[in-house]
Amino acid sequence: DVKVTQSSRYLVKRTGEKVFLECVQDMDHENMFWYRQDPGLGLRLIYFSYDVKMKEKGDIPEGYSVSREKKERFSLILESASTNQTSMYLCASLSSGVQPQHFGDGTRLSIL
Amino acid sequence: QKEVEQNSGPLSVPEGAIASLNCTYSDRGSQSFFWYRQYSGKSPELIMFIYSNGDKEDGRFTAQLNKASQYVSLLIRDSQPSDSATYLCAVNSGNTPLVFGKGTRLSVIA
Repeated sequence: DVKVTQSSRYLVKRTGEKVFLECVQDMDHENMFWYRQDPGLGLRLIYFSYDVKMKEKGDIPEGYSVSREKKERFSLILESASTNQTSMYLCASLSSGVQPQHFGDGTRLSIL
Repeated sequence: QKEVEQNSGPLSVPEGAIASLNCTYSDRGSQSFFWYRQYSGKSPELIMFIYSNGDKEDGRFTAQLNKASQYVSLLIRDSQPSDSATYLCAVNSGNTPLVFGKGTRLSVIA
């Protein structure tokens, strides 16, 4: 079974802090994704990566950056956290082509 | 803009009935289609995927795909209260991120 592990289940940070969300997958998948999910808005893609050191902007990249130094790890960075970034963050990976995506358990992030 | 549309619900069905969830998509080049189940506060989990026109059955679940009409559906037979969740439809056009619908909330009434 594919295992996608997010470093924290719940996280509370203060406005202005730099926040790191970590995601690790154990199936040598090429593709990794970061989403946020808010009530009524569905899943929204923030950034994705097709390979090491490669990144692509999703639908809502503003206020975020990412890092993929190793194939198994994809980090989401909130450069200066703001209250409107309070959300559930979901990481996903997939091997290639038309295969299904597998999600981590999610990180519920609160910015105070 | 590639879009996936789902009725937000809630769809309420009595226990033991068939629940029918529908999804339409805009990109005719879409190649693979997925159904995810998401319980409140949890992450989406894959329950079915389908690539070819027709039906695909897995236990109580059946996915149906009609590429000419650009719709995909999920049938849940003998619905149980534990099936109460939000069901997300997702579509893939090859090597692109999945496009997700906003989900249909299903409520199975005991």
